[in-house]
Amino acid sequence: DGGITQSPKYLFRKEGQNVTLSCEQNLNHDAMYWYRQDPGQGLRLIYYSQIVNDFQKGDIAEGYSVSREKKESFPLTVTSAQKNPTAFYLCASAEGWDSFYGYTFGSGTRLTVV
Amino acid sequence: AQKITQTQPGMFVQEKEAVTLDCTYDTSDPSYGLFWYKQPSSGEMIFLIYQGSYDQQNATEGRYSLNFQKARKSANLVISASQLGDSAMYFCAMKSGNQFYFGTGTSLTVIP
Repeated sequence: DGGITQSPKYLFRKEGQNVTLSCEQNLNHDAMYWYRQDPGQGLRLIYYSQIVNDFQKGDIAEGYSVSREKKESFPLTVTSAQKNPTAFYLCASAEGWDSFYGYTFGSGTRLTVV
Repeated sequence: AQKITQTQPGMFVQEKEAVTLDCTYDTSDPSYGLFWYKQPSSGEMIFLIYQGSYDQQNATEGRYSLNFQKARKSANLVISASQLGDSAMYFCAMKSGNQFYFGTGTSLTVIP
């Protein structure tokens, strides 16, 4: 079955560490996205990518970095510069940036700073 | 400016009853899409229903229907015959231009 796989489901980070969240899709979608979800704030866009080797900052990109070396993969690195990284992170994909079809979401990664 | 507004942080409904979750939106684009997603406690976002701005009829998908009132810029989700498994967060979203906007969500609890 086609879908998006996010791993790990739970991740713990010490202060000052970088961590990388994995997102893989086998839907042959061009566009991929990373969202952060905090209680009561809905989803906020971190980064998005329309095609391989290209990505753009979203609304809250500071303290995060991404890469898009393969169509199927869009990993997100939470750097030590992100002051409040504890949140739920969702990866999504869509057929195209201008597609009017909805996103397909992964099951999320819950990141906690310890 | 808030693009998607969901004014009901939490809602309760009796099992087998119908419930309406409110959503209003703001855009000046003539062409846009409206979506509803369900997020159970496990975290994944599940696509429920889609309405295009040029669609003449309200969208329906099984027990879900979208009450689209274009002039009022509202896109309310109606769930008929609520089931215990409907307890979840529900997000309204809009695709306008090249942006995708999400509301803050409504937590729905179905009471047996």
